[in-house]
Amino acid sequence: QVQLQESGPGLVKPSETLSLTCTVSGGSISGYYWSWIRQPPGKALEWIGYIYDSGSTNYNPSLKSRVTISVDTSKNQFSLKLSSVTAADTAVYYCARGSKLRFLEYLFDYWGQGTLVTVSS
Amino acid sequence: DIQMTQSPSSLSASVEDRVTITCRASRSISIYLNWYQQKPGKAPKVLIYGASSLQSGVPSRFSGSGSGTDFTLTISSLQPEDFATYYCQQSYSIPWTFGQGTKVEIK
Repeated sequence: QVQLQESGPGLVKPSETLSLTCTVSGGSISGYYWSWIRQPPGKALEWIGYIYDSGSTNYNPSLKSRVTISVDTSKNQFSLKLSSVTAADTAVYYCARGSKLRFLEYLFDYWGQGTLVTVSS
Repeated sequence: DIQMTQSPSSLSASVEDRVTITCRASRSISIYLNWYQQKPGKAPKVLIYGASSLQSGVPSRFSGSGSGTDFTLTISSLQPEDFATYYCQQSYSIPWTFGQGTKVEIK
């Protein structure tokens, strides 16, 4: 059974960089679109971006200038860095596995439990 | 970006009711539409992919339909464990986007 677990600081100061890691167990990191998705309190889900396999990435244009997603295949982990954070970046951050079933057909079939990151001084 | 608009934003229903939630895309997304269920404090869970395919392990009372810009999620007989928030999500183009959610509450 595939499991994902987010880890990282729950509190980040404004203007600093938010850093989270997702550890994948029970399956290989190869062949999937490993995504970060966030959800501000009481609001909807927002896809941040993904990293595929060994390193190709795709980011939400609304966050692209501040986001970096990387992968460490030796540790079965992938990571998120979001720079210059503000209070608007306060959210529950989820890591999720994106599976491609066929052309343009992707779904998030496994998710981490989520971690709340608060941006505050 | 493709905007996804769900209606209603919330609804009240009773156990065994038939419930329908609608999702509209701002432009055609063919059938590349997924539905998720989220319970409070939990991660979303995929129910339907490709507009109408039932994810493995999901009860058959959930069904999806539609193509192009208009999609529907139907729960044929609402059960106590179905009270949750439901989101649609398109995978037709980057950035992948979600609807704003539909909260299904107990009447």
